[in-house]
Amino acid sequence: AQSVAQPEDQVNVAEGNPLTVKCTYSVSGNPYLFWYVQYPNRGLQFLLKYITGDNLVKGSYGFEAEFNKSQTSFHLKKPSALVSDSALYFCAVRDMISGNTPLVFGKGTRLSVIA
Amino acid sequence: NAGVTQTPKFRILKIGQSMTLQCTQDMNHNYMYWYRQDPGMGLKLIYYSVGAGITDKGEVPNGYNVSRSTTEDFPLRLELAAPSQTSVYFCASTRVGSYNEQFFGPGTRLTVL
Repeated sequence: AQSVAQPEDQVNVAEGNPLTVKCTYSVSGNPYLFWYVQYPNRGLQFLLKYITGDNLVKGSYGFEAEFNKSQTSFHLKKPSALVSDSALYFCAVRDMISGNTPLVFGKGTRLSVIA
Repeated sequence: NAGVTQTPKFRILKIGQSMTLQCTQDMNHNYMYWYRQDPGMGLKLIYYSVGAGITDKGEVPNGYNVSRSTTEDFPLRLELAAPSQTSVYFCASTRVGSYNEQFFGPGTRLTVL
């Protein structure tokens, strides 16, 4: 069975500081990993994904994520946070061998960037 | 491309009423999904479809029904609304290929009183 854990319900960071939103996963085989962002009263927007290759993945709005197979983690990072980054962030996983099964989402982490 | 569209945006139902949440995508995606989002609970999969005429249950299908007569449309039906179905409902779609991301609609906020 596939699962995703986002251990922090809330992350607070000062504007201009680096931010990290944590995600760990569990799959039977190799994973496809995704990050989404949800702004208030909006649907989820795709940020970035890891398929294979370079462990550091770059995505939209200056976000990046690092895949770590040994720690089964896929943490989302940004070097310098903006107030406009304040939103709800979801990590999701799909097992590479399972075909187009629905993504399994974490519970989400609310990021608050303080000016 | 409009992407994934959902109607209505908001709806208030009385207990026992029924309604259909509409979802349409114009990206020719084979796979479509319905999720509900409750505060602090993340997304839970209700139903999904791998193509026209094929649907399957997700994690929380009770109280809902779906159909998929065309590639574009994937309506979600609530037959006897209950307060426990108060939630925000999201439709999503994706291309064939397990490495592809899902595209989400803007959501329908449903309140059952």
